[in-house]
Amino acid sequence: AQSVTQPDIHITVSEGASLELRCNYSYGATPYLFWYVQSPGQGLQLLLKYFSGDTLVQGIKGFEAEFKRSQSSFNLRKPSVHWSDAAEYFCAVGNPRSNDYKLSFGAGTTVTVRA
Amino acid sequence: GAVVSQHPSWVICKSGTSVKIECRSLDFQATTMFWYRQFPKQSLMLMATSNEGSKATYEQGVEKDKFLINHASLTLSTLTVTSAHPEDSSFYICSAAQRLHPSDTQYFGPGTRLTVL
Repeated sequence: AQSVTQPDIHITVSEGASLELRCNYSYGATPYLFWYVQSPGQGLQLLLKYFSGDTLVQGIKGFEAEFKRSQSSFNLRKPSVHWSDAAEYFCAVGNPRSNDYKLSFGAGTTVTVRA
Repeated sequence: GAVVSQHPSWVICKSGTSVKIECRSLDFQATTMFWYRQFPKQSLMLMATSNEGSKATYEQGVEKDKFLINHASLTLSTLTVTSAHPEDSSFYICSAAQRLHPSDTQYFGPGTRLTVL
């Protein structure tokens, strides 16, 4: 069964500093990979996704993620965070060999931005 | 962009009553909708997958008779929590996908906070 691990429960970063959120997956083949952000009172919003091809994926709001097959990782990065980036971030995986289109989510990482 | 709404955004009910939560795709047709449950400070747990016009597929451990799901049209799915009890209190989130492919983006609703007294 596929699984997703987000090792960092909570990260605090200064405004303007860089941010990296870690995501590791356990699966026999390359899964579909997603990063979602959840802000209070709002639904999860897709930041970016990876299926194949270029391993560096650009997303919305200045985020990018890099797929590393050798490390089974799909880490999310942003060069300079803004106070509005404070939110909960979820990594998710989908099974390309399944017809059920289900996503498995990591436990999430809470990002706090300090002035 | 694709928008998914949920109604109500929060509900408080007495133990033993039933509560219905609606999930609507506002500007697209959703072949598949998903229902998740999220406990405080925890991840989303998939409860069931519903396809328009067919019975929902429930995840292991989810009681079908307690969580009734109906996907009557391509823009509406409902989750009814029957005979609710305090342990059913949670944040319920739906998502919808436009096409039937694993790579499809799921668009999420804002969630419904259920509190059972």
